[in-house]
Amino acid sequence: GQNIDQPTEMTATEGAIVQINCTYQTSGFNGLFWYQQHAGEAPTFLSYNVLDGLEEKGRFSSFLSRSKGYSYLLLKELQMKDSASYLCAVMDSNYQLIWGAGTKLIIKP
Amino acid sequence: NAGVTQTPKFRVLKTGQSMTLLCAQDMNHEYMYWYRQDPGMGLRLIHYSVGEGTTAKGEVPDGYNVSRLKKQNFLLGLESAAPSQTSVYFCASSPGREGEKLFFGSGTQLSVL
Repeated sequence: GQNIDQPTEMTATEGAIVQINCTYQTSGFNGLFWYQQHAGEAPTFLSYNVLDGLEEKGRFSSFLSRSKGYSYLLLKELQMKDSASYLCAVMDSNYQLIWGAGTKLIIKP
Repeated sequence: NAGVTQTPKFRVLKTGQSMTLLCAQDMNHEYMYWYRQDPGMGLRLIHYSVGEGTTAKGEVPDGYNVSRLKKQNFLLGLESAAPSQTSVYFCASSPGREGEKLFFGSGTQLSVL
């Protein structure tokens, strides 16, 4: 079966750096997405990786290793507004998105 | 710039009742999707559409029907609601499929008693 694994919850301190990991086992691979979802709101797009390596976008970076079935989202200079759930999703060979259950990130002052 | 508009925001049904959720997008996107989100689980695809007049089943289609009569609208129907359909429902759209991000509506919290 297809599976996306990410930690259920993480806690970090304002101003610090946090890395949220995502491992996947899917039927084929056509890209990996990260979305941010604040409580009670809709998911919003953060990043897309289809090739190995690091994609940087401001305070957020996303890394992909296709051979290891692994990605991480790196958040720098954490702010209180970064408290949210972070969803990892992989597009399989049929171009269907397989979603992880999300990682709830709690930022403490 | 409305994006994806989803109505209603909240709804309470009794078991056996029917309802329709409306999704509208003003970005001229070809693809539209209906997802449900339950605690501790990833988003699950109910139905999707690759263009006006087309629909296809997703991962969890049973108990739901959809229609895409106009490109900008995608309707989700529950003919006979069951408590297992209590969930948060999200509509989404995208211009294409490969490598394209999804734009989500604000969600509908549905409770079936």
